[in-house]
Amino acid sequence: AQSVTQLDSHVSVSEGTPVLLRCNYSSSYSPSLFWYVQHPNKGLQLLLKYTSAATLVKGINGFEAEFKKSETSFHLTKPSAHMSDAAEYFCVVSERYGFQKLVFGTGTRLLVSP
Amino acid sequence: EAQVTQNPRYLITVTGKKLTVTCSQNMNHEYMSWYRQDPGLGLRQIYYSMNVEVTDKGDVPEGYKVSRKEKRNFPLILESPSPNQTSLYFCASSLSVGQANTGELFFGEGSRLTVL
Repeated sequence: AQSVTQLDSHVSVSEGTPVLLRCNYSSSYSPSLFWYVQHPNKGLQLLLKYTSAATLVKGINGFEAEFKKSETSFHLTKPSAHMSDAAEYFCVVSERYGFQKLVFGTGTRLLVSP
Repeated sequence: EAQVTQNPRYLITVTGKKLTVTCSQNMNHEYMSWYRQDPGLGLRQIYYSMNVEVTDKGDVPEGYKVSRKEKRNFPLILESPSPNQTSLYFCASSLSVGQANTGELFFGEGSRLTVL
């Protein structure tokens, strides 16, 4: 069975500094991995996804994530934080073959200060 | 505009009073699902539906019912709500089961339910 661990419940950065949100996964088979973003009082929006193509995945709003099989990680990064990036971020794993439900991490709240 | 619409967005009710949270999507999606979001627990799946008249339990189905009589609608029914069902609920849809499996879920804006 698959699982996902988000290592930080909160991350605080200053505007203009890099963002790193950490995610480790466990999967018996080849996983699909995703990051979703949730802005206050909004639903979740797909930020980016990895489904076996390039290991470095680019998403919306300048975010990217790198799939590292040897480290079972899928960390989310952005070179320079913007105030509008303040939100909650969810790492999600799914096993690629057959119908498997998505398993959500517990979320990381990103705080961006001026 | 493509969207998933939930109603009500906010509800305060009392223990035992039946309620329904509606969910409607205008994208002709086959797959629909309900999640609840609780602090420190992320999102947990309640029920899902692969198509009309096809529903199945997720991880936390106790105390909930669903129906899928039409493709666009997937209501969540709490027959006898209890305080432990106080939560933020999300409806989501996807074009197909395969699309859902690759993470392309479209979410509603959430329904915050408080059961006193």
